[in-house]
Amino acid sequence: DVVMTQSPLSLPVTLGQPASISCRSSQSLVYSDGNTYLNWFQQRPGQSPRRLIYKVSNRDSGVPDRFSGSGSGTDFTLKISRVEAEDVGVYYCMQHTQWPRTFGQGTKVEIK
Amino acid sequence: EVQLVESGGGLVQPGGSLRLSCAASGFTFSTFGMNWVRQAPGKGLEWVSYISSGSSNIYYADSVRGRFTISRDNAKNSLFLQMNSLRDEDTAMYYCAREDIWGQGTLVTVSS
Repeated sequence: DVVMTQSPLSLPVTLGQPASISCRSSQSLVYSDGNTYLNWFQQRPGQSPRRLIYKVSNRDSGVPDRFSGSGSGTDFTLKISRVEAEDVGVYYCMQHTQWPRTFGQGTKVEIK
Repeated sequence: EVQLVESGGGLVQPGGSLRLSCAASGFTFSTFGMNWVRQAPGKGLEWVSYISSGSSNIYYADSVRGRFTISRDNAKNSLFLQMNSLRDEDTAMYYCAREDIWGQGTLVTVSS
């Protein structure tokens, strides 16, 4: 199975400041069709997960442009340019290049 | 509005069975692959199973293979998860998920 490793697991941030979460996979996530199937999800307290980013860097509809995804191969990053109070929650990366689909452990973002 | 609504969760004894349902609306259900994802209390996300749009491709996590069965009824816009031989460690919130849309979840508690 592809192991997804996120860091840090806890991220205290100041409102208005940037934040960055790393996600590394144990194998390349490049599929035979040339696409890289790496998603980012946000789970606010008490809510279901919501997809923010698909295929590394594509923002879902309605996702603020302060969220951006980047990376390639086995190394990926989610960045929040200026953290707002509504961004508090747990963020997960997930790969669906290979079966089984696997998630990272989650990174808890909180306000300092 | 695109919506997924799970039902069927509850309290069950170890070794028992439960059938979860997910009602889809607001999109052409028959054209999308669907997933079940679970989250144990206070823990991260774990992918459970996937079924393709026409049910020809089905995958399971090792932790549930042989005990859980995923199925769908495209005429009724519904997804199912038959869970047998339930264990304490199956206790979790179970989410029905398209790639980008998640339901609110249904809670399964396995306890004597």
